[in-house]
Amino acid sequence: GQQVMQIPQYQHVQEGEDFTTYCNSSTTLSNIQWYKQRPGGHPVFLIQLVKSGEVKKQKRLTFQFGEAKKNSSLHITATQTTDVGTYFCAGRKDTNAGKSTFGDGTTLTVKP
Amino acid sequence: GAGVSQTPSNKVTEKGKYVELRCDPISGHTALYWYRQSLGQGPEFLIYFQGTGAADDSGLPNDRFFAVRPEGSVSTLKIQRTERGDSAVYLCASSRANQETQYFGPGTRLLVL
Repeated sequence: GQQVMQIPQYQHVQEGEDFTTYCNSSTTLSNIQWYKQRPGGHPVFLIQLVKSGEVKKQKRLTFQFGEAKKNSSLHITATQTTDVGTYFCAGRKDTNAGKSTFGDGTTLTVKP
Repeated sequence: GAGVSQTPSNKVTEKGKYVELRCDPISGHTALYWYRQSLGQGPEFLIYFQGTGAADDSGLPNDRFFAVRPEGSVSTLKIQRTERGDSAVYLCASSRANQETQYFGPGTRLLVL
């Protein structure tokens, strides 16, 4: 079945440093979503990417969808302590599918 | 407006017992999803409803798991003959329509002793 892998599993950075997490799917995706989950919380939707090669920005966050629609990345510029949490990508295989397959996330810790 | 709510927030049960977990989606959302999340892992898809019907139940691990959404709003996830391996956080999400943003509830933490 479809697999979604994320690397790294953990990332510890000094406040102000940049952070990147990578997501790779075993199959071509129709779209990919990114979520953030704070410790003890539930996943909160950040963004959805649909088009091949798409790049979207939200303040210090930059999201990319690969040309082949099998990989994606999330880059945070100048991390802040509020960025702490686990970042998940989730891919949908089919255009009409409701099912999303989640990666196991990258947990970011930020040292002030 | 109100978000997705789930009850109970915590459930402790004994091996072999039956449990029901409830999800109240955002009003007007036609799509509803159940996921299971174990510590250190991402949410694992269980089942997806479009309206009252289960459009995709391919993630249900076995026939001990069943979910309903009789009126196209509230959904109940039912687990029979619980096993210790069923212990996890059960997350519910809803979206206005298929392929749109999923809004997650706070989850039900199930512990099977």
